[in-house]
Amino acid sequence: RKEVEQDPGPFNVPEGATVAFNCTYSNSASQSFFWYRQDCRKEPKLLMSVYSSGNEDGRFTAQLNRASQYISLLIRDSKLSDSATYLCVVTDAYSGAGSYQLTFGKGTKLSVIP
Amino acid sequence: ETGVTQTPRHLVMGMTNKKSLKCEQHLGHNAMYWYKQSAKKPLELMFVYSLEERVENNSVPSRFSPECPNSSHLFLHLHTLQPEDSALYLCASSQDRGGGYNEQFFGPGTRLTVL
Repeated sequence: RKEVEQDPGPFNVPEGATVAFNCTYSNSASQSFFWYRQDCRKEPKLLMSVYSSGNEDGRFTAQLNRASQYISLLIRDSKLSDSATYLCVVTDAYSGAGSYQLTFGKGTKLSVIP
Repeated sequence: ETGVTQTPRHLVMGMTNKKSLKCEQHLGHNAMYWYKQSAKKPLELMFVYSLEERVENNSVPSRFSPECPNSSHLFLHLHTLQPEDSALYLCASSQDRGGGYNEQFFGPGTRLTVL
């Protein structure tokens, strides 16, 4: 069974703190990796892709370790607006005709406190 | 704002009712997806349509019946549901060019309650 595991949290951190989320995936054949963000009672939205070389987008840094099947997301200088659930997502299967299946983790809830 | 819309946003139905969820994407994409999000569970992929053909059906019970009349519209027909089917149903779309993952854009979802 293909699974994506995340610490559900919640992570309660003060503004300005640095927080890290971890994720492990079970399917060694997984091809692509992402972090999505889901605000309360809203739809998920792509935050960033995760590349083997690691990638950074402003205050957000994502890392991938294929050997350990491990993905991480680091948020520096947390803002109140970062409060959300962060979903670890991998692509597992190619469904044909260019469509991919995504496997989602349950998400890690972050609350940034004033 | 998302280019994927869903109606209704909230739906309460009895187990003997028949209802339909509607999804429309305004992004010119050629693939559409239905997902189910239950409390304390990860998003589960239900159906995938690419170029209006169903390419994936993840062992979803037959009381859920998808329909994709064109590349912009996707329906989920519901009949004789069970209380455990209560969840948030999310539609998504992507522009699939083949050979690599393309971002999926989600609609706001329909929150379904089955009594």
